[in-house]
Amino acid sequence: DADVTQTPRNRITKTGKRIMLECSQTKGHDRMYWYRQDPGLGLRLIYYSFDVKDINKGEISDGYSVSRQAQAKFSLSLESAIPNQTALYFCATTAQRADTQYFGPGTRLTVL
Amino acid sequence: DQQVKQNSPSLSVQEGRISILNCDYTNSMFDYFLWYKKYPAEGPTFLISISSIKDKNEDGRFTVFLNKSAKHLSLHIVPSQPGDSAVYFCAARIYNQGGKLIFGQGTELSVKP
Repeated sequence: DADVTQTPRNRITKTGKRIMLECSQTKGHDRMYWYRQDPGLGLRLIYYSFDVKDINKGEISDGYSVSRQAQAKFSLSLESAIPNQTALYFCATTAQRADTQYFGPGTRLTVL
Repeated sequence: DQQVKQNSPSLSVQEGRISILNCDYTNSMFDYFLWYKKYPAEGPTFLISISSIKDKNEDGRFTVFLNKSAKHLSLHIVPSQPGDSAVYFCAARIYNQGGKLIFGQGTELSVKP
């Protein structure tokens, strides 16, 4: 079974709709991250969380919000989706003091 | 302001030859560098890393070199295999900022039989 799972894997939605992407991990890690990948831009950090009560904005947090419901779950919400939020979204986890982040399989989001 | 840059979007190499992927960075506060490999429809997977206090790290066919004075990082794959065909991302960790990584744009490697 995968250590980091993301749902849904693919989603098509319309401009103005609210959408939530979910991430779960079984690695027991404290830290969780949300990234988006766009062609030619690599992965950019949206939000990150060091534990349930510690949530921080990344470099491109505008238009997004997150919720850390439990140590194992970290959700990303688009309150009112817009077309330029069409991208691949990845969740990642890492343990405190660890060097490596482990990524989920990604969610491909299309906003029409 | 791209702090980590991979200036080659793509690279094509013959099977058995060496693949060299390059990465440049601007921030002197990076203390750790990583390479990730990504296949289509999958998330990035960790490949190899290097601390800023070292200049070389080797793991099987993969070697990462760090030139701090030039702020340059490279990944060597020898010998290259068709299964190495993927997108490779260079990433850098900012010292004392909780493990945050800054990624380069990625280089798509194609290894031809």
